[in-house]
Amino acid sequence: SYELTQPPSVSVSPGQTATITCSGSALPKFYTYWFQQKRGQAPVMVISKDSARPSGIPGRFSASKSGTIVTLTISGVQTEDEADYYCQSTDNTGTYPVFGGGTTLTVL
Amino acid sequence: QLQESGPGLVKPSETLSLTCSVSGGSVASVTYYWGWIRQSAGKGLEWIGSVHSSGNSFYNPSLQSRASISVDTSKNQFSLNLNSVTAADGAVYFCVRRIYSSAWSHEWYFDLWGRGGLVTVSS
Repeated sequence: SYELTQPPSVSVSPGQTATITCSGSALPKFYTYWFQQKRGQAPVMVISKDSARPSGIPGRFSASKSGTIVTLTISGVQTEDEADYYCQSTDNTGTYPVFGGGTTLTVL
Repeated sequence: QLQESGPGLVKPSETLSLTCSVSGGSVASVTYYWGWIRQSAGKGLEWIGSVHSSGNSFYNPSLQSRASISVDTSKNQFSLNLNSVTAADGAVYFCVRRIYSSAWSHEWYFDLWGRGGLVTVSS
């Protein structure tokens, strides 16, 4: 079955830039969405349609796509950004949604 | 807003039933699909399925044989039934809304989530 691959963990210091990747063979064909999930809470979308920022999401969140890899970038990371991040897209048949395994961002 | 409700404890082999109440919008809207996503403890997000008020539906192939989602327009809510549950079905269940457009029918844009409800499967 189709999978989206994310690194299990990323660590950065406050003020630095965090990058989280998501890879999948069908990513060039469909939009990617990014969700932030803090402990005990529901996921919140931080990036929609590859690179758009939903209302209320800080400007330090951005994303880009290059071929089969999409990258979420958090510039000037703050301690409040510590969370799990999930990418989500459509499977290679164009039928079902699929989530990446998630990346835990630790702000040291 | 979306709000999950239902039993927090289900016995093995029985049916898990959850309801999601919708406020601030209508489940009869042609713009949305209504569905469920679950998350086992310490694990990632797993989409279960989504349905439209027209009756069109999609289910995760791995759960299709056990899952059923229905929409009740009179109560403005939708429900999940998952039968023959095992301990592996214990999870936090989120109800979700998908924005749908025929212009990008292959896209799955989950724009609204409930807060989630914990379901434990145990005798």
